Formats: sequence, C-alpha cells, structure tokens
Amino acid sequence: SQQGEEDPQALSIQEGENATMNCSYKTSINNLQWYRQNSGRGLVHLILIRSNEREKHSGRLRVTLDTSKKSSSLLITASRAADTASYFCATGHDYKLSFGAGTTVTVRA
Amino acid sequence: SQTIHQWPATLVQPVGSPLSLECTVEGTSNPNLYWYRQAAGRGLQLLFYSVGIGQISSEVPQNLSASRPQDRQFILSSKKLLLSDSGFYLCAWNLGTYEQYFGPGTRLTVT
Repeated sequence: SQQGEEDPQALSIQEGENATMNCSYKTSINNLQWYRQNSGRGLVHLILIRSNEREKHSGRLRVTLDTSKKSSSLLITASRAADTASYFCATGHDYKLSFGAGTTVTVRA
Repeated sequence: SQTIHQWPATLVQPVGSPLSLECTVEGTSNPNLYWYRQAAGRGLQLLFYSVGIGQISSEVPQNLSASRPQDRQFILSSKKLLLSDSGFYLCAWNLGTYEQYFGPGTRLTVT
C-alpha cells in the first residue's frame, strides 16, 4: 500500500526558479527518503532524513520533516533543465519502503 | 563499486505466456533484494523482498512469484501472464541500510 502522498501531482517551473513539493504519510516512520526518476529509468536516491531530524541539505536540495504533522517537503533551488523528472517520497520501516505516487517536475528553459 | 543489472529491458508477451525477469547485483555480498512494479504514472508497489538465499517474502498476493537461486540473483516469474501484469518492473538492493539502489527496469507489455 502507498504510505506517502505527494503534492502537487505535477509542477512546471522556469529554469532558475525553486521547486517545492510535499509529502504526507500516515503511520510512524524510522526515516523518510526522496528519490528521483527520469522518464523510463530506475529511481535514484536523493536524500534520507531520519525521524529525529527536522531539516537536511544536500547540494541544491533541502528536505524538512515534521513528524507531528506527518509531512515532509523537498525544495530544489535554482532549478535546471536536468531536474526535469518525477520525485517520490518513501517512508522506511524495517527493510521495506512505501512510495507515494510522485510529483512530476518540468523545468522549462 | 556495486552495479545492478536487469534484463530484458523491454518485453512484449501474450496473455497466458510465462515470464522470467532477472536481476543481478555485482560488487557486494548478501544484499537485500527487492522487486517492485510501477503502473503508468504511479508510485512503486513492493512485490517481493529477500534478505538471503531462499528467503522470499511476498507483499501482495498475485500472479507472480520470486526466487533467489544465488546470493546476488533475484528472479521474478509467472506461469501465465495476465493483462494486468503489464508495467515497469524494478529491482533494487541494499545492505541493511535504509537507502535502496535501483536497476534500470524492465518494461513489460502483456498483449
């Protein structure tokens, strides 16, 4: 079953702008992860935030986690055409991950 | 470094035919292995996972089965495909960490 739900489903931005997407989940988690999927390809791990962390950065990515609201956000700053992809949040428990349906981001040149 | 392979990359099969998809991981030992299916425009659905040779856990009862005949080989099978088996099949691995590393996927179309 899908644990996380991303919002919005789709996002179109101009190159150089920031992109923000949100993820809500239902049950307690050990961690929350974000993955990127280019069209027709496998998923690539972007960043993991543990349940006791509130914010994490990696390059142009910033992830926040609010366990009281059961939500997370992914911010991509200064977007590039190469950031065009689908982004998925995944909640981790034991060995397994539960994925949301994803946010499709289109960066216009 | 570790590498994960999947084949075939694409497959078109008639309804009722058998299926065998293969996933192999190189450069590591005793990985956890996972099979996911992704329907068009949707997220990933975990089908099977394995924490060791011969150890297979099924997440969703359906027309598919999985086997792990060798430490770094994970096979997804079906005896008779259904139209609803169409999708993008992804294999992933990890070593007990939470991050998973995905293969390139197999696009299956059942006609």
